[in-house]
Amino acid sequence: NAGVTQTPKFRVLKTGQSMTLLCAQDMNHEYMYWYRQDPGMGLRLIHYSVGEGTTAKGEVPDGYNVSRLKKQNFLLGLESAAPSQTSVYFCASSWGQPQETQYFGPGTRLLVL
Amino acid sequence: GDSVTQMEGPVTLSEEAFLTINCTYTATGYPSLFWYVQYPGEGLQLLLKATKADDKGSNKGFEATYRKETTSFHLEKGSVQVSDSAVYFCALGSGTYKYIFGTGTRLKVLA
Repeated sequence: NAGVTQTPKFRVLKTGQSMTLLCAQDMNHEYMYWYRQDPGMGLRLIHYSVGEGTTAKGEVPDGYNVSRLKKQNFLLGLESAAPSQTSVYFCASSWGQPQETQYFGPGTRLLVL
Repeated sequence: GDSVTQMEGPVTLSEEAFLTINCTYTATGYPSLFWYVQYPGEGLQLLLKATKADDKGSNKGFEATYRKETTSFHLEKGSVQVSDSAVYFCALGSGTYKYIFGTGTRLKVLA
């Protein structure tokens, strides 16, 4: 039981490049989330999904897209990276509504030059 | 809107000292409250939670009580260890998807 895994662990991009971050969970959770963590700002929700085939915007969605084609996977895409997207990205999953515990992946550190 | 406010760090304590990290919240409805811990280089993991007023969450010697009258969920531990050094996040969960985190409090415990 691996829990929540994220790929890659670390990546350096140049401004304007694109990339996809992959999140996978093996707990059969319905809800999945993408957060970014910046110094002094805690975690901010980018996008979330309440089930396979569904996605919705969170607090800071601009510049990101997501897809949930399979229940166990949640992809976060950056179409044209900007230095402001330098951050640590965390994926999380949970059984259901936010009264439930969230389980986090180890994070992806992204540096945009 | 809903929000979580927690004390700024860093908090530096000697081993075996008493720990309190303050957390207050504003929310409509009846949120669940959480404390998460983040060790260096890792993701967040649940430390404890409480789902209704007057509930006490506890784990690994840490405790927090859901106080509706003061809208607080302060984290306490009677005797901290060096291994408790980490960043602690207070969070609330409510509604359909809303999950709000505080900014985190860094704890450093000295031997």
